[in-house]
Amino acid sequence: GQNIDQPTEMTATEGAIVQINCTYQTSGFNGLFWYQQHAGEAPTFLSYNVLDGLEEKGRFSSFLSRSKGYSYLLLKELQMKDSASYLCAVRDGNYQLIWGAGTKLIIKP
Amino acid sequence: ETGVTQTPRHLVMGMTNKKSLKCEQHLGHNAMYWYKQSAKKPLELMFVYNFKEQTENNSVPSRFSPECPNSSHLFLHLHTLQPEDSALYLCASSQEIEGAVPQHFGDGTRLSIL
Repeated sequence: GQNIDQPTEMTATEGAIVQINCTYQTSGFNGLFWYQQHAGEAPTFLSYNVLDGLEEKGRFSSFLSRSKGYSYLLLKELQMKDSASYLCAVRDGNYQLIWGAGTKLIIKP
Repeated sequence: ETGVTQTPRHLVMGMTNKKSLKCEQHLGHNAMYWYKQSAKKPLELMFVYNFKEQTENNSVPSRFSPECPNSSHLFLHLHTLQPEDSALYLCASSQEIEGAVPQHFGDGTRLSIL
């Protein structure tokens, strides 16, 4: 079967750096997405990786290793507003999106 | 403003009721989706429409019935639901089904079945 694994919950301190990991096993691979979802709100698109390496977008970066079936989302200079769930999703060989259960990130002052 | 609007935001209904969820996208996208989101579970894709044609039905029970009258509107008709159907129902749209294009989500309808 296909699955996406990410930690259920993480805690970090305001101003610090946190790395949220995502590992996947899918039939084929056509890209990996990261979304942010604040409680009671819509998931919003953060990043997309299809080639190995690091994509940087301001305070957020996303890394992909296709050979290892592994990605991470790196958040720098954490702010209280970064408290949210972070969803990892992989587009498989049939272009279906397979979703992880999300990582709830708690930021403490 | 996400560009995808869902109504109602909250819905409480009995198991014998019939209700409909509505989704409208203002982004000019060609594909629309219904997802079910339960606590601590991955998003479950229910239905996919591409250019108004249904392209996916992921073994969803017949008590959920989708309707897509045009590329901007999507409905989910609900009938004789079960308590386990209580969840957040998310609508999403994208320019196309494949490729690097992200999906844009609405804020969802929180559904509670009594």
